Amino acid sequence: EAQVTQNPRYLITVTGKKLTVTCSQNMNHEYMSWYRQDPGLGLRQIYYSMNVEVTDKGDVPEGYKVSRKEKRNFPLILESPSPNQTSLYFCASSLGLAGTSGGAGQETQYFGPGTRLLVL
Amino acid sequence: AQSVTQLDSHVSVSEGTPVLLRCNYSSSYSPSLFWYVQHPNKGLQLLLKYTSAATLVKGINGFEAEFKKSETSFHLTKPSAHMSDAAEYFCVGDGSQGNLIFGKGTKLSVKP
Repeated sequence: EAQVTQNPRYLITVTGKKLTVTCSQNMNHEYMSWYRQDPGLGLRQIYYSMNVEVTDKGDVPEGYKVSRKEKRNFPLILESPSPNQTSLYFCASSLGLAGTSGGAGQETQYFGPGTRLLVL
Repeated sequence: AQSVTQLDSHVSVSEGTPVLLRCNYSSSYSPSLFWYVQHPNKGLQLLLKYTSAATLVKGINGFEAEFKKSETSFHLTKPSAHMSDAAEYFCVGDGSQGNLIFGKGTKLSVKP
């Protein structure tokens, strides 16, 4: 089954304790992305990756790191989490970039189930 | 799209009545536009997308949206609401960096 998986689904941690949220897709997609969702703000992009070893900042990258060593995996790393990073996080993947497919549908993003993070 | 604005943060309808969720965009190029739905405690699911083909786009679960360039709108509609349609809906546009620009979401409530 084609899917995007995230782990863990729920996490409670304390300020400053490094954590990693994993994301994996089995669709051979080139483009992967991380978002955070906060009430009243919709989804905001944290980082994205256009291919292996190619990553770039989204709208809210502060306090986060990512890596893309393999095509299928795109972990999100919080080196020193703070309470303002309490949020719901989504990983997404697509075959290509939005707006570039000429209607071929490559830009359709598939989302993981979400990771709910609480930083105390 | 440079920006996407959902005009209502909350819409409430009665079961069996029409649904209208409004979305406006701004873009200096021909945008790709999407509607995603998020049911409580679930991830996001694509409802429909517009990518410069037909301006009236049909999606899943009876939803459709019409791209109106003159009004810079991409409103989502459904003729008859079901209880199972209660969810949060996001209008989304393609950014110039190949990323997605999300609206802030509209919560749809459906009363029996």
